[in-house]
Amino acid sequence: EAQVTQNPRYLITVTGKKLTVTCSQNMNHEYMSWYRQDPGLGLRQIYYSMNVEVTDKGDVPEGYKVSRKEKRNFPLILESPSPNQTSLYFCASSVSRYSYEQYFGPGTRLTVT
Amino acid sequence: DAKTTQPPSMDCAEGRAANLPCNHSTISGNEYVYWYRQIHSQGPQYIIHGLKNNETNEMASLIITEDRKSSTLILPHATLRDTAVYYCIVRVMSRGGGADGLTFGKGTHLIIQP
Repeated sequence: EAQVTQNPRYLITVTGKKLTVTCSQNMNHEYMSWYRQDPGLGLRQIYYSMNVEVTDKGDVPEGYKVSRKEKRNFPLILESPSPNQTSLYFCASSVSRYSYEQYFGPGTRLTVT
Repeated sequence: DAKTTQPPSMDCAEGRAANLPCNHSTISGNEYVYWYRQIHSQGPQYIIHGLKNNETNEMASLIITEDRKSSTLILPHATLRDTAVYYCIVRVMSRGGGADGLTFGKGTHLIIQP
């Protein structure tokens, strides 16, 4: 089944403790991205990657890192999480950045205390 | 990207057609109209997109007015599983019309009543 998977689905952590949220897709998509969703603010793009080893900042990149060493994986790294990064996070992929359809993962709900 | 205006919520009876309006009066000639939906806390799901002409796929129909200042998403036979937040998004063609970096606003919460 074609899908985007994220792990973990739920995470509660403390301020400053490094964490990684994994994202993997099995559709051989070139383009992958991360979004966060907050009440009243909609979805906002954090980072995106057009292909392996090619990443760029989205609208709200501060406090996040990404890497794209393999085509299928696009982990999101929070080196020193803070409470304002408490949010619902979605990974997405598409054939290319010019594709009309993006496929979204199930989401990761992160709470930073 | 042009701003869109959608009603915050709508009800529709199960089995009836759900018609979701979207106003995009400042849309430019090179902007596409996209529709996505999000079922409670799940990832958004692509529904349909269009530029000028009306479009139909297995999920829905998209009607774009001749002046392109508004559009309507039609779910022909709504079911309870169609209860979701529906987002209308416009995006410039200069970005390839692609769906990357789409800005999701507040959308319309469609509630299908049994």
